[in-house]
Amino acid sequence: AQSVTQPDIHITVSEGASLELRCNYSYGATPYLFWYVQSPGQGLQLLLKYFSGDTLVQGIKGFEAEFKRSQSSFNLRKPSVHWSDAAEYFCAVSTNAGKSTFGDGTTLTVKP
Amino acid sequence: EPEVTQTPSHQVTQMGQEVILRCVPISNHLYFYWYRQILGQKVEFLVSFYNNEISEKSEIFDDQFSVERPDGSNFTLKIRSTKLEDSAMYFCASLPRGGETQYFGPGTRLLVL
Repeated sequence: AQSVTQPDIHITVSEGASLELRCNYSYGATPYLFWYVQSPGQGLQLLLKYFSGDTLVQGIKGFEAEFKRSQSSFNLRKPSVHWSDAAEYFCAVSTNAGKSTFGDGTTLTVKP
Repeated sequence: EPEVTQTPSHQVTQMGQEVILRCVPISNHLYFYWYRQILGQKVEFLVSFYNNEISEKSEIFDDQFSVERPDGSNFTLKIRSTKLEDSAMYFCASLPRGGETQYFGPGTRLLVL
């Protein structure tokens, strides 16, 4: 069965600092991997996705993520965080036409 | 860009009442999903639907839940007798044939009193 682990429940960074959110997945074949962002009371916004090819993928809002098969990881990064990035971040894995499985999420707080 | 829509955006109901949550998937999509998110928790898969039948369901999706695609455009989730613990945000999603990315709707926030 597929699963996703986000080891960090809560991360606090200063505005302008770099950010890395960790995600580890478990799935037998090559998964489809996603990062979503959710503001309080809002829906899910897709930041970026990986299916195949270049293991470094670029997304919206200056985010990027790197797929590392050997570590079963898909960590999200941003070089310089803005106050508006404060939100909940979810990593997810899915299969061909199958369900998506989400991690528990990481809450990002940005200090001024 | 086409979007998945959901109605209502908010619904308040009394425990034991039936509710129907409605979704209009993107028109050429073939795979449909319902997920729920209890406040402060992660998004959980409920059910997937393809070719007019359920293709997979989770343990959460018990006999109180049902799904239907009544008219070729709507995709509904019915909860027959709501419980307090059904209070959550419910997301609909759809996927085209051969696609990799599920398109999520904005959600319906259900509050059971």
